[in-house]
Amino acid sequence: NAGVTQTPKFQVLKTGQSMTLQCAQDMNHEYMSWYRQDPGMGLRLIHYSVGAGITDQGEVPNGYNVSRSTTEDFPLRLLSAAPSQTSVYFCASREVGTTSNTGELFFGEGSRLTVL
Amino acid sequence: KNEVEQSPQNLTAQEGEFITINCSYSVGISALHWLQQHPGGGIVSLFMLSSGKKKHGRLIATINIQEKHSSLHITASHPRDSAVYICAVNPRTGTASKLTFGTGTRLQVTL
Repeated sequence: NAGVTQTPKFQVLKTGQSMTLQCAQDMNHEYMSWYRQDPGMGLRLIHYSVGAGITDQGEVPNGYNVSRSTTEDFPLRLLSAAPSQTSVYFCASREVGTTSNTGELFFGEGSRLTVL
Repeated sequence: KNEVEQSPQNLTAQEGEFITINCSYSVGISALHWLQQHPGGGIVSLFMLSSGKKKHGRLIATINIQEKHSSLHITASHPRDSAVYICAVNPRTGTASKLTFGTGTRLQVTL
């Protein structure tokens, strides 16, 4: 199994450009999420989804859009990139679990985004 | 104050030493995760626990729910253990798993 696959691994954008970070998992996990990781801060949740057709905002959703048309894919869209969105982005998935709140996390390898 | 606090922030050890990384949290939780992140690399789940103790190879994770505290121990440390170790908690309340993460402990193991 490939696990969680993220692309691209590196991207440089100019302010105002748009782009999509791709995330796919082959473990049939219901829960998928996007985090950003900035120096000196813990991972922060951008958006998450508990199943196809269902998405919700996390802690830092502004400037990002998501959709979940299939169980496997959860793309993250930057509509108009800003320098404040320079960060490392991680996609993660897990089983929802019997309590809807537990399950081992599986992360992608990360996408380093620089916005000039 | 962050909901999840890790200590120490940085740790240097010599090969073979016994290492302890601590995680304290302030909310009721349903589970706690220990994650490992190598420099420039992805994040790997080491443990998920809600009570007691788990062991995998040279790694041991313990949790005390009453004291809201968890520890990650590495026995016979090795340079390949050099990484950032991250603690994260699943709050008991709220919708599906808005995990809260600590800022990580950077471990360097030297020869």
